[in-house]
Amino acid sequence: AQRVTQPEKLLSVFKGAPVELKCNYSYSGSPELFWYVQYSRQRLQLLLRHISRESIKGFTADLNKGETSFHLKKPFAQEEDSAMYYCALSGVQGAQKLVFGQGTRLTINP
Amino acid sequence: GAGVSQSPSNKVTEKGKDVELRCDPISGHTALYWYRQRLGQGLEFLIYFQGNSAPDKSGLPSDRFSAERTGESVSTLTIQRTQQEDSAVYLCASSLVTLSTGELFFGEGSRLTVL
Repeated sequence: AQRVTQPEKLLSVFKGAPVELKCNYSYSGSPELFWYVQYSRQRLQLLLRHISRESIKGFTADLNKGETSFHLKKPFAQEEDSAMYYCALSGVQGAQKLVFGQGTRLTINP
Repeated sequence: GAGVSQSPSNKVTEKGKDVELRCDPISGHTALYWYRQRLGQGLEFLIYFQGNSAPDKSGLPSDRFSAERTGESVSTLTIQRTQQEDSAVYLCASSLVTLSTGELFFGEGSRLTVL
């Protein structure tokens, strides 16, 4: 079965510390991976996608097919990074849908 | 408005009643998605529209759930004979093209509470 696993429901780090949100997936084909973010009182929105190989708001994520992971990283966390983060997978047997993980609530402490 | 619009934002209903949730996608977006998010859970895919047709209904949890889309625009998700386990936030999203090349733009959701 195609699945996205985010093992941490809650993650708390101090401002300025590095942060890593873990994401593992299960899929036999060539996946497309995304990170979506929901800030307080805002809509769920795309943060970044692996195919773009971009850095957004200081966040990066590398697709590791060997480990079937797509962890989200930022070297120096900021208070405005506090939000709910969802990892998502598409390309599921050609279906046009995103399969989401359960999300990680990131809190950056001052 | 420029974004995906959903109504109602909140709906409280009694068990056994029918409810309709509406989604207005971004103008020109051909793909439309419905997801469900139960408390403490991730987003659960329900159904996807390309234009007015629904090539993937695999996520609809039971025959009490149905959805339609007209004019390649507005979509309605209908839940008949609601049950308490239907309580959730129902999210709608649209995209300009199908998912593999585009991103999803989400609405604010409709929070359904079944008493």
